[in-house]
Amino acid sequence: GAGVSQSPSNKVTEKGKDVELRCDPISGHTALYWYRQSLGQGLEFLIYFQGNSAPDKSGLPSDRFSAERTGGSVSTLTIQRTQQEDSAVYLCASSPNRDTDTQYFGPGTRLTVL
Amino acid sequence: GDSVTQMEGPVTLSEEAFLTINCTYTATGYPSLFWYVQYPGEGLQLLLKATKADDKGSNKGFEATYRKETTSFHLEKGSVQVSDSAVYFCALSGTLQGGSEKLVFGKGTKLTVNP
Repeated sequence: GAGVSQSPSNKVTEKGKDVELRCDPISGHTALYWYRQSLGQGLEFLIYFQGNSAPDKSGLPSDRFSAERTGGSVSTLTIQRTQQEDSAVYLCASSPNRDTDTQYFGPGTRLTVL
Repeated sequence: GDSVTQMEGPVTLSEEAFLTINCTYTATGYPSLFWYVQYPGEGLQLLLKATKADDKGSNKGFEATYRKETTSFHLEKGSVQVSDSAVYFCALSGTLQGGSEKLVFGKGTKLTVNP
């Protein structure tokens, strides 16, 4: 079946602009995660959604970052007033439920802030 | 907090050589342990996992054993192939509030296998 998909695959933006990154999880997966992969920091957890519960935002690096998940499926990660240090690959992962610890990753969105 | 330390490499081997990538962890409780692989131009894929002490995860000729006494989960393969060239990430499942889990990753080890 279809895996996790993300769009766009690449995004180049100017410092100060807002960007939206999209994730389509595997159908039926209730858990959704966002991670960031950058040269200096490696892979970092950002935010977690489980069904219709309030998200766990403990990994978001600043209040410029937010995410939502509509209808328990598609998720959008928004970065406001982008900075150069936001340049990274943003990865989305999904999991069948909260009791399953195997996560399935999408191909990522490479964000470059000029 | 929870953390994972793995040898950063890069590691360069000849085809059919033996591979070891070291991974140690610090965690409260008893996390599950994982190796993920990222082939060039592709996304992260689960390679293998182990959910409790002394479990051995294996896949595609790779193996790793969950060693609680040494807090380690070293990745090994007896004979590497050119197609194994990739970046390998060690990870553990770290608990979030409410019992849900996130993955805590090591920094990755780039492996290049030459013919």
